[in-house]
Amino acid sequence: VQLQQSGPGLVKPSQTLSLTCAISGDSVSSNSASWNWLRQSPSRGLEWLGRTYYRSKWNNDYRESVKSRISIKPDTTKNHFSLQLDSVTPEDTAVYYCAGGECDNVACSLNHWGQGTLVTVSS
Amino acid sequence: EIVLTQSPGTLSLSPGERATLSCRASQSVSLNYLAWYQQKPGQAPRLLIYGASSRATGIPVRFSGSGSGTDFTLTISRLEPEDFAMYYCQRYDSSPLYAFGQGTKVEIK
Repeated sequence: VQLQQSGPGLVKPSQTLSLTCAISGDSVSSNSASWNWLRQSPSRGLEWLGRTYYRSKWNNDYRESVKSRISIKPDTTKNHFSLQLDSVTPEDTAVYYCAGGECDNVACSLNHWGQGTLVTVSS
Repeated sequence: EIVLTQSPGTLSLSPGERATLSCRASQSVSLNYLAWYQQKPGQAPRLLIYGASSRATGIPVRFSGSGSGTDFTLTISRLEPEDFAMYYCQRYDSSPLYAFGQGTKVEIK
């Protein structure tokens, strides 16, 4: 499984951060996987943001602190998933990672990682 | 708040020595859903151990995990030069909060 991230590295304050993660070697619709977004910064460390996964229907889980402004969506036609984070501030500056999890039901370790994207929030 | 505390913060060892890293959870980890990751500068984390003690695909046998409940350990039996890195534990039983520890740096003495 390989994950390839894409998206801009600079976002203005109050705008929307958008990243995409293309999957090869697995399916975004897999019944035994989850597809996650995380970020890492010196102040926050490694922080899981949320995930999407398919178990007869599509499901999402989000970190409570970003729940009001985050959306993670699968695209089955392109076999990828995306992150949108609204109303960003400089505190959202971080390296963003996508990660694929192999799951015991919905408990999923993070087995495969994208290369990371440094996103800077600045005007 | 669910917290994972790793110790020590930094471990200074020589190649060939044994490394023992600790991860303590503020609440018991269900079904041992505890993972360890290795991260080198400029790289994404890499899964080493899942389920507290199962090695991920391609991980050398010198890496082993143990523990249950609230106390977990990652052991590197004999450090190779490529093992000097940051190590993180993570619990994945508690979505929507997959907590990570703050990390242990294994550095060359």
